[in-house]
Amino acid sequence: DQQVKQNSPSLSVQEGRISILNCDYTNSMFDYFLWYKKYPAEGPTFLISISSIKDKNEDGRFTVFLNKSAKHLSLHIVPSQPGDSAVYFCAASDASNYQLIWGAGTKLIIKP
Amino acid sequence: DAGVIQSPRHEVTEMGQEVTLRCKPISGHDYLFWYRQTMMRGLELLIYFNNNVPIDDSGMPEDRFSAKMPNASFSTLKIQPSEPRDSAVYFCASSFGGGASRQFFGPGTRLTVL
Repeated sequence: DQQVKQNSPSLSVQEGRISILNCDYTNSMFDYFLWYKKYPAEGPTFLISISSIKDKNEDGRFTVFLNKSAKHLSLHIVPSQPGDSAVYFCAASDASNYQLIWGAGTKLIIKP
Repeated sequence: DAGVIQSPRHEVTEMGQEVTLRCKPISGHDYLFWYRQTMMRGLELLIYFNNNVPIDDSGMPEDRFSAKMPNASFSTLKIQPSEPRDSAVYFCASSFGGGASRQFFGPGTRLTVL
């Protein structure tokens, strides 16, 4: 039972354009969401997060949007840069659970 | 701080052999997580510890897998006997606090079982 789904295994975007990565979840008890970025041969690193009491969180070129009614969140990267090429994981947690539930990841490729 | 340290970075072994993966979490972190990443399943949580105590090992695939955390600065994940389907990248992560707390990952151990 996949509680966190990233339905796009890969995404290719032109440098300078907007990258939009999507994530859907099924558990309405999730109250905190995180995005991690992973380069080859490295562990994932934290990128940005959002609490369920918000619908938007912004950090520089990265913005995460949360639509609780649709159980959907998205990560926007503007403008996209070559260094953004990586695998992006969406993860979620709820107050009763001390672990994160992870999506399968989306590989983002930024074309020059 | 050096971050989460994992060893070895690469391990190639033959089916049936015992494999031990090691992890040193960030000092002061009270949660430690072991993950496995494969192409088919993505990032799977195998087991996690809080204050050196295993809390949830429901992700451990089978009895061939075991994990220990004898103290706050060291954990091991052991596979005995290893099988080709165990080939994957194994990550260790630590955090201060569980749940939504930011997890810091090690560089991973790439395991190949021939």
